[in-house]
Amino acid sequence: KQEVTQIPAALSVPEGENLVLNCSFTDSAIYNLQWFRQDPGKGLTSLLLIQSSQREQTSGRLNASLDKSSGRSTLYIAASQPGDSATYLCAANFGNEKLTFGTGTRLTIIP
Amino acid sequence: NAGVMQNPRHLVRRRGQEARLRCSPVKGHSHVYWYRQLPEEGLKFMVYLQKENIIDESGMPKERFSAEFPKEGPSILRIQQVVRGDSAAYFCASSSSGTGGWNEQFFGPGTRLTVL
Repeated sequence: KQEVTQIPAALSVPEGENLVLNCSFTDSAIYNLQWFRQDPGKGLTSLLLIQSSQREQTSGRLNASLDKSSGRSTLYIAASQPGDSATYLCAANFGNEKLTFGTGTRLTIIP
Repeated sequence: NAGVMQNPRHLVRRRGQEARLRCSPVKGHSHVYWYRQLPEEGLKFMVYLQKENIIDESGMPKERFSAEFPKEGPSILRIQQVVRGDSAAYFCASSSSGTGGWNEQFFGPGTRLTVL
């Protein structure tokens, strides 16, 4: 069964620190993986998309990595800010056109 | 370039009524996906459509739910005889091509359905 897991469910970090969010998936035959941000009561904002042929992608203070052999992806956030507080979701595309989502990590940046 | 549009943003229905959720994909996108997010749960795939065709409906409940993506107009997710358990956020996504799963899916703001 193709599953995506995000641990921990919640994380609190002081402002200014660098942090890493984790995502694991059960099937190494992954086509791509997307990281999203979701604010309370809002929709999904796509942050980064990593194709299976890529090892990492960067956008501003965000860096996402993909390791198919270990079934892991990480989202690195540098110099965290209170505005980064949100729920972060990862979603894997296993080639069957639909995204399989993790349950998310709720991130709180403490000013 | 307008992104994925969904309406209404909020919908309140009483038990037994029908709910119709609309999704207009990104201009030029011919692939539409519907996902449901139940309270305190992750997003779950419901259905994948191309113009006039349902490609994968493996995530759709067997009864009361249907989806369409006509040649003209938005995609519609229809829920008949709603029950309280249908209360959730329903998200639509679109992509330019579904081949091989390479393409990024762009999400709309969602419709939040509340069943009284």
